[in-house]
Amino acid sequence: DTGVSQDPRHKITKRGQNVTFRCDPISEHNRLYWYRQTLGQGPEFLTYFQNEAQLEKSRLLSDRFSAERPKGSFSTLEIQRTEQGDSAMYLCASSLSGQLFSEAFFGQGTRLTVV
Amino acid sequence: QKEVEQNSGPLSVPEGAIASLNCTYSDRGSQSFFWYRQYSGKSPELIMFIYSNGDKEDGRFTAQLNKASQYVSLLIRDSQPSDSATYLCSVTNQGGKLIFGQGTELSVKP
Repeated sequence: DTGVSQDPRHKITKRGQNVTFRCDPISEHNRLYWYRQTLGQGPEFLTYFQNEAQLEKSRLLSDRFSAERPKGSFSTLEIQRTEQGDSAMYLCASSLSGQLFSEAFFGQGTRLTVV
Repeated sequence: QKEVEQNSGPLSVPEGAIASLNCTYSDRGSQSFFWYRQYSGKSPELIMFIYSNGDKEDGRFTAQLNKASQYVSLLIRDSQPSDSATYLCSVTNQGGKLIFGQGTELSVKP
């Protein structure tokens, strides 16, 4: 296991289409985070999981966004009826819970372009 | 009020100078504090963490935490052109939620 893996790396979709992204965390990590990042901004929190439980979803996040982590391993992020404003880099990170210091490791991200 | 706020950049310093990056956070229950570095087109990578009041030094980097003031800072001594990047302040709460500031772009001029 060499790190957090995200797939696909790039996605171009037409407005109104649904898209799904996948994240495979570091195998022993039980926490998994999703972020959205646009140019010149920091990562915007979307949601996070501990094992298979979704602990929090951003209140600012549209109902078009949903995430799952069915078996506590990989996670998917789905965006329904995409809009041009959804164009961004979607980052996944994972970490190990239970300690004050827990480094979150990031994947390479999925760049979404909605045309 | 944003949960994590950082200096608006960009910050430009000459090579060899000290770069000072600042961050404030709103949740008094925040437990751990991190500085990530993000090069253009790359994902963030951790450079420092701190969870106790005071200073923590690691090579050219010093993180400072003041929980009473809800303030975190990062000092980079002897700044190098390779330090040019965006620096992200992040905090976790008791539940492990990790949130980031908007980042401060640092440019170190040779």
